Amino acid sequence: AQSVTQPDIHITVSEGASLELRCNYSYGATPYLFWYVQSPGQGLQLLLKYFSGDTLVQGIKGFEAEFKRSQSSFNLRKPSVHWSDAAEYFCAVDVAAGNKLTFGGGTRVLVKP
Amino acid sequence: GAGVSQTPSNKVTEKGKYVELRCDPISGHTALYWYRQSLGQGPEFLIYFQGTGAADDSGLPNDRFFAVRPEGSVSTLKIQRTERGDSAVYLCASSRTEYTEAFFGQGTRLTVV
Repeated sequence: AQSVTQPDIHITVSEGASLELRCNYSYGATPYLFWYVQSPGQGLQLLLKYFSGDTLVQGIKGFEAEFKRSQSSFNLRKPSVHWSDAAEYFCAVDVAAGNKLTFGGGTRVLVKP
Repeated sequence: GAGVSQTPSNKVTEKGKYVELRCDPISGHTALYWYRQSLGQGPEFLIYFQGTGAADDSGLPNDRFFAVRPEGSVSTLKIQRTERGDSAVYLCASSRTEYTEAFFGQGTRLTVV
């Protein structure tokens, strides 16, 4: 069965600084990869997804993620963080391009002024 | 509203009681998913409907949990003989097809006392 690990439970970053959130997956082949954001009082929102092709994926809100097969990783990045990016971020995988997702434990991002 | 609606937003029940959680998907979405998110963890898949039928219920933890979607739209997650360990946020998501983006509701927070 597939699994997802997000090594960082909490990350604190200053507004305007860059952000990188780590995600590692375990699966025998290349799964379909997703990043979601969960803000207080709001539902999970899809930031971006990787199915195939270019390993650098652009998403909404200025986020991007890079798939590295050799490292079984799909790290999320943003060059300059805004206070509104404070939220919990989840990496997820699916093995069949559907929405039966296996989520990581999440990384909570705090943004300092 | 155009989003996935879940009711109630909060439910407190006593151990051993029966509860029903409702999900109104986005109009026209044929696929519907239930997830459970325990405190400090990522969401876990419970069950997936395609139309009226449960296409995959492999995530239901035991036979106390049951879900229906009789007319292919609204779904109800039913939990019998609730236990304190059932306390969690129950998330519903819908998508136009099983291969397109899933949109999540804000969840129902269930507390079993």
